[in-house]
Amino acid sequence: SFELTQPPSVSVSPGQTARITCSADALPKQFAYWYQQKPGQAPILVIYRDTERPSGIPERFSGSTSGTTVTLTIAGVQAEDEADYYCQSADSSGTYWVFGGGTKLTVL
Amino acid sequence: EVQLVESGGGLGQPGGSLRLSCAASGFTFRSSVMSWVRQAPGKGLEWVSAISGSGGGTYYADFLKGRFTISRDNSKNALYLEMSSLRVEDTAMYYCALTTSGWYFGHWGQGILVTVSS
Repeated sequence: SFELTQPPSVSVSPGQTARITCSADALPKQFAYWYQQKPGQAPILVIYRDTERPSGIPERFSGSTSGTTVTLTIAGVQAEDEADYYCQSADSSGTYWVFGGGTKLTVL
Repeated sequence: EVQLVESGGGLGQPGGSLRLSCAASGFTFRSSVMSWVRQAPGKGLEWVSAISGSGGGTYYADFLKGRFTISRDNSKNALYLEMSSLRVEDTAMYYCALTTSGWYFGHWGQGILVTVSS
């Protein structure tokens, strides 16, 4: 298996840009996916296949990749974006799935 | 609209068993990989198990060590997780998730709480 590493917390002021990284410890890296989870709610998918945004997700959410690190970027952060964010990937055979430890985004 | 509704949680004894169910609707269940994901109180998400659309392929997280069994009944659009040899550390919210294209969790149920305590 492999591990995905995220920073425990990120803090930004409203209107600023938040960047949350996720690093894999093994190559080759498969696609990464990002989920948002607010307190008491189930997670929702905000980015899939590194950079794609599901319908209904605001355009301020975007994803990028560089080597074995993927980044979730939230441009013009709003108070409603305060949540936990998790990255996720799978092994190359698609039979083992892994989540990062999660990052708590605080909007100051 | 995809709907996933979990049931069967509650209080379990250490060393005991519980069975979780997930009722699915709004998509072609028999063609879809399905998964269970859990979240211990105050902790992160943790993938538990997955099953192929036919049920012929089952996959488990290493930490389970054979204690849980995933299954499905495509005639009922239902997913199950049989949990045995329960441990206190199995206490968590358990989510049923549609594993889109077999790679990611595109839709989630609302979750069901399992508490293991004597």
